[in-house]
Amino acid sequence: EPEVTQTPSHQVTQMGQEVILRCVPISNHLYFYWYRQILGQKVEFLVSFYNNEISEKSEIFDDQFSVERPDGSNFTLKIRSTKLEDSAMYFCASSVRASGGDEQFFGPGTRLTVL
Amino acid sequence: AQSVTQPDIHITVSEGASLELRCNYSYGATPYLFWYVQSPGQGLQLLLKYFSGDTLVQGIKGFEAEFKRSQSSFNLRKPSVHWSDAAEYFCAVAAEGANNLFFGTGTRLTVIP
Repeated sequence: EPEVTQTPSHQVTQMGQEVILRCVPISNHLYFYWYRQILGQKVEFLVSFYNNEISEKSEIFDDQFSVERPDGSNFTLKIRSTKLEDSAMYFCASSVRASGGDEQFFGPGTRLTVL
Repeated sequence: AQSVTQPDIHITVSEGASLELRCNYSYGATPYLFWYVQSPGQGLQLLLKYFSGDTLVQGIKGFEAEFKRSQSSFNLRKPSVHWSDAAEYFCAVAAEGANNLFFGTGTRLTVIP
């Protein structure tokens, strides 16, 4: 069964460093998403991406964040200068169609620890 | 704006007992409602979803949920819990046409043999 994969499973970085989290969505999906979950808090939407551009983003997704689909398979989230408060589990998801109804398939997550 | 409340942080049930996980949502129009489950080290897996129509929705793994507009609730139920159901359960809501899901804080289910 096709699934969303994410690498690495755990990333440790120093404050101020750049990190890139990688995701491989399901191959025939057209919409891609990033969510994050700070320990003990709810899963929060960051950004959605379609047709090589951001279609929606939350207030969390500020100038420190960017997303890219560098090739036909990968979908990346970059944090330019990490802060302590960026420590969280980051989930990638994909769907065939836009949400509001379509199932989003989630990856297992990348745990980011900022020291 | 949409929001979701899951009032129970942690629930413990005995194997074979029935289960109900609570979810209350806030949204002005008819919402799209979802229940996801997350096992340790796994991603979020969709259990079931509600868009319209029959308010009792059947999902995978023997789960069902009932949409009650008057109570703004979408509680998840299972008549007989199995040890493998131990996981974190998330309720989520989406607005029609929107791309993003709003999640609750989750309920951790522990199953006692």
